[in-house]
Amino acid sequence: AQSVTQLGSHVSVSEGALVLLRCNYSSSVPPYLFWYVQYPNQGLQLLLKYTTGATLVKGINGFEAEFKKSETSFHLTKPSAHMSDAAEYFCAVSSITGNQFYFGTGTSLTVIP
Amino acid sequence: GAVVSQHPSWVICKSGTSVKIECRSLDFQATTMFWYRQFPKQSLMLMATSNEGSKATYEQGVEKDKFLINHASLTLSTLTVTSAHPEDSSFYICSAKHEYEQYFGPGTRLTVT
Repeated sequence: AQSVTQLGSHVSVSEGALVLLRCNYSSSVPPYLFWYVQYPNQGLQLLLKYTTGATLVKGINGFEAEFKKSETSFHLTKPSAHMSDAAEYFCAVSSITGNQFYFGTGTSLTVIP
Repeated sequence: GAVVSQHPSWVICKSGTSVKIECRSLDFQATTMFWYRQFPKQSLMLMATSNEGSKATYEQGVEKDKFLINHASLTLSTLTVTSAHPEDSSFYICSAKHEYEQYFGPGTRLTVT
């Protein structure tokens, strides 16, 4: 079974500072990779995903992530944090069929004004 | 495209009663749907996989007689929490599989009093 590790259950950044949320996965076969954002009492919103091709993936709201196979990582970044970025972020990996979906434990992002 | 809805978005019920939650894929057909449960400040926990026209597959530790899942059509799956108790209070999220990806509903907040 695959596993997803998100280092840091809580991350705080100042407004305008770089956001870096870490995600590592364990898989012998390159999976599909996703980042989701969740605001309180809401469902998951897809930020970006990697399936094949270019390893640097750009998503919505200025976020991007880079798939590094050698490091089995898919870290999420944003150059400049906004107050509206404060939320819970989940990394997930999927089998190529989509039938198995594994979530990380989530990272709560706080943006300090 | 690939929109998933859930109804109701929130529900309050008395202990001992049953509650039904609907999950619909609005613009695509979904042979497979998934039901997740999320406790506060925690990640999503897969409860069961629902396949149209067949019995759901439950994850270990999930009581199938308590959480009844029906996937009667390619666009609708329902989760019925039977004889609900306060410990069943949670945020329930469904997803529908389209190609290799899962598309998530907005969630249903269940409170059992």
